[in-house]
Amino acid sequence: QVQLVQSGAEVKKPGASVKVSCKASGYPFINYSLVWVRQAPGQGLEWMGISNPNGGTSYAQKWQGRVTMTRDTSTRTVYMDMNSLRSEDTAVYYCARVKRNLGTDFTFEYWGQGTLVTVSS
Amino acid sequence: DIVMTQSPLSLAVTPGEPASISCRSSQSLLNSNGYNYLNWYLQKPGQSPHLLIYLGSNRASGVPARFSGSGSGTDFTLKISSVEAEDVGVYYCMQALQSPPSFGPGTKVDIK
Repeated sequence: QVQLVQSGAEVKKPGASVKVSCKASGYPFINYSLVWVRQAPGQGLEWMGISNPNGGTSYAQKWQGRVTMTRDTSTRTVYMDMNSLRSEDTAVYYCARVKRNLGTDFTFEYWGQGTLVTVSS
Repeated sequence: DIVMTQSPLSLAVTPGEPASISCRSSQSLLNSNGYNYLNWYLQKPGQSPHLLIYLGSNRASGVPARFSGSGSGTDFTLKISSVEAEDVGVYYCMQALQSPPSFGPGTKVDIK
């Protein structure tokens, strides 16, 4: 079955960087895009960007220049790297797999368990 | 960017009774292929969100038949025909038509 297993919780100081991983299993990794969605404490869901099968990426304008998404096909893992962290970045970060394996798709069918990133001095 | 709104923002329902959530988009989500690119997700307490409805009215795998989605263009509705205790959580609509995909603010459903 499809599984997305994310790395554990992180505590970072303001100005630092964090790298969250999402390891996929149970499906042909090279055929599907993966996205990252953020949820601040008590808040709603916010799409951050997408990592496409060909290695290409697209980010929400808000995250341009601060977020980098990469994928390692050999380990079936996608990474989300965020720099210049501030307290407002404290949130749970989810990876999710899209439903369709062709073209652009923003239907998120499978989700990881989430990774809490806490930014505090 | 497309802005999504939902109403109500909170809802308390008696088990066995129906429930309905509305979602509106700032632009039409009807694609030229005839599909409405509107999805519904449920986030149960302490869990990750999961997909309920996609393309406006298609139930995702394993979703009970008491959940149904309808609507077209800019106005959509999620209906639960007979609410069960396990349906508590926050329901989000999301437009999947164009980048960036955007979520509604969420509707919190509790049991009376």
